[in-house]
Amino acid sequence: SQKIEQNSEALNIQEGKTATLTCNYTNYSPAYLQWYRQDPGRGPVFLLLIRENEKEKRKERLKVTFDTTLKQSLFHITASQPADSATYLCALGGNSGYALNFGKGTSLLVTP
Amino acid sequence: EPEVTQTPSHQVTQMGQEVILRCVPISNHLYFYWYRQILGQKVEFLVSFYNNEISEKSEIFDDQFSVERPDGSNFTLKIRSTKLEDSAMYFCASSEVPQLSGNTIYFGEGSWLTVV
Repeated sequence: SQKIEQNSEALNIQEGKTATLTCNYTNYSPAYLQWYRQDPGRGPVFLLLIRENEKEKRKERLKVTFDTTLKQSLFHITASQPADSATYLCALGGNSGYALNFGKGTSLLVTP
Repeated sequence: EPEVTQTPSHQVTQMGQEVILRCVPISNHLYFYWYRQILGQKVEFLVSFYNNEISEKSEIFDDQFSVERPDGSNFTLKIRSTKLEDSAMYFCASSEVPQLSGNTIYFGEGSWLTVV
């Protein structure tokens, strides 16, 4: 069955450092992968999209890579700030369906 | 910035009761979705809706669930006879174009349903 795995343990880093979050998947050939931010008790907020034929995408302090051979995406936040503290979700989808398949998310805590 | 709004933010209901969760999607959006998130679990797809029809549904979306767009602005999720395991945060989402090929969808803040 399809599986999406994100670091289950919370990631604690110091302000100013780069946070790197991992999303691995198995039994899946997604057409695209998205990253979302979710704050406690709130809905997911879209951050970045990367398609299967793209290796890397950037948006301000965010960078996403997508390796379809390794079946892995890495999500980087450079110059991290305490305001970046949240849970980050990866979500995979295909071209023929409407459903997004989410991972459980990784909690990031950025300390001053 | 336009947003998806959901009501109620929290509802407690007795097992076996019917519940209706309401959503007002972003005004020019045509595609609507419901997702749910059980506490501590991942966000799960329930259903997508376009042109007054269900376009896709998951295994979770069984006969106890239904969706409706009763007027030009609201989109509702009805759970007919709630079970304890229906306790979850329910997210409505909408998009201007179909959530295919990664087009962005916008989530509401959720309705937290507690079944007792």
